[in-house]
Amino acid sequence: ETGVTQSPTHLIKTRGQQVTLRCSSQSGHNTVSWYQQALGQGPQFIFQYYREEENGRGNFPPRFSGLQFPNYSSELNVNALELDDSALYLCASSLPGSGVELFFGSGTQLSVL
Amino acid sequence: QQQVKQSPQSLIVQKGGISIINCAYENTAFDYFPWYQQFPGKGPALLIAIRPDVSEKKEGRFTISFNKSAKQFSLHIMDSQPGDSATYFCAASKSSGATNKLIFGTGTLLAVQP
Repeated sequence: ETGVTQSPTHLIKTRGQQVTLRCSSQSGHNTVSWYQQALGQGPQFIFQYYREEENGRGNFPPRFSGLQFPNYSSELNVNALELDDSALYLCASSLPGSGVELFFGSGTQLSVL
Repeated sequence: QQQVKQSPQSLIVQKGGISIINCAYENTAFDYFPWYQQFPGKGPALLIAIRPDVSEKKEGRFTISFNKSAKQFSLHIMDSQPGDSATYFCAASKSSGATNKLIFGTGTLLAVQP
């Protein structure tokens, strides 16, 4: 059984650019969530995908968007990058019916210059 | 009402000592309270979790104490080891909702000195 994997591990972008981050769920997990973790802070919920549809969203603007694919992998897209978007982006997957027991990947460290 | 307040921000404990981290919440609809451990360069890993129908849960050296009336819960690490040095996050959620949304505290950086 493989864990949650994310790519790339590090990324540097400039303000105004667009970025796509990728996540492969743990085997058998059909729900994927994305979190943003600023330096020295706890993770903040961005949104969740279940059966390829967004079914929950945190307090993030529409320029944060996502996709989930039939194999349960997922993408996070951020348009019009801002300096404050610099953070560790975490993907988490969960088992069906497990409530909120989340398994996190190691994250993508995004730096916006 | 969505916040989870965590303290202390940082903690230094001697090897073999007890580490205690506290969290408080406001939303009485929360019914799932996990603790996550995060090492540098890694994502958070679930350590232990509790639901409000019990006041304490123990797994090895890690214990959660839960006080429903005070809306507080804490993590106790017994016989702390240098390998326990990490950042610890408490979190809370409504497990009955459609969204597996965790509200995290701000984290506690634990350093266990040998």
